[in-house]
Amino acid sequence: ELKVEQNPLFLSMQEGKNYTIYCNYSTTSDRLYWYRQDPGKSLESLFVLLSNGAVKQEGRLMASLDTKARLSTLHITAAVHDLSATYFCAVAWRIQGAQKLVFGQGTRLTINP
Amino acid sequence: NAGVTQTPKFRILKIGQSMTLQCAQDMNHNYMYWYRQDPGMGLKLIYYSVGAGITDKGEVPNGYNVSRSTTEDFPLRLELAAPSQTSVYFCASSPPGIRTDTQYFGPGTRLTVL
Repeated sequence: ELKVEQNPLFLSMQEGKNYTIYCNYSTTSDRLYWYRQDPGKSLESLFVLLSNGAVKQEGRLMASLDTKARLSTLHITAAVHDLSATYFCAVAWRIQGAQKLVFGQGTRLTINP
Repeated sequence: NAGVTQTPKFRILKIGQSMTLQCAQDMNHNYMYWYRQDPGMGLKLIYYSVGAGITDKGEVPNGYNVSRSTTEDFPLRLELAAPSQTSVYFCASSPPGIRTDTQYFGPGTRLTVL
């Protein structure tokens, strides 16, 4: 059974600081996703990581993937209040061409002025 | 494109009642999915479909049924609502093609069973 664990589950930080969210998963997968969810809203796709060593960056967020360690990280640089949200990683495996995503528990990020 | 749409946005059911959550997408995506999200948790897959007429169970299918008669629509049916089904339900779709199959999520349906 594929398991996905994120840590920390809660993170309160000040604007301007850097921090990293970790996502560990238990079995081999061909891709990993990061999503953002604002309170009461749907999920917004941030990144898809397809191969070992993949790194993607968008603004103050950077995601990386180490398939050998079964670890992905989401790094936040010089945090701003607008990045406050819950962040989920999701690991995919494929059945009949469709993906089955297994989500981590989410990391609730609060950025204080 | 409207993307993935879901109706209703909110619903309160009594124990034992039935209802259908509607999901539609206008992106001509082959693959569609239903997830539930319990408070403070990640999403769990209920059912998925690889195309019209083809559906299969996910992690937590008990108490639910689905059908896929067209490419666009993927309704989720609750037959005998139970308090354990109180959750937010998200529908998602993804296009064919391994390199381009990010799942796009609908706005969700918040269901309370009392």
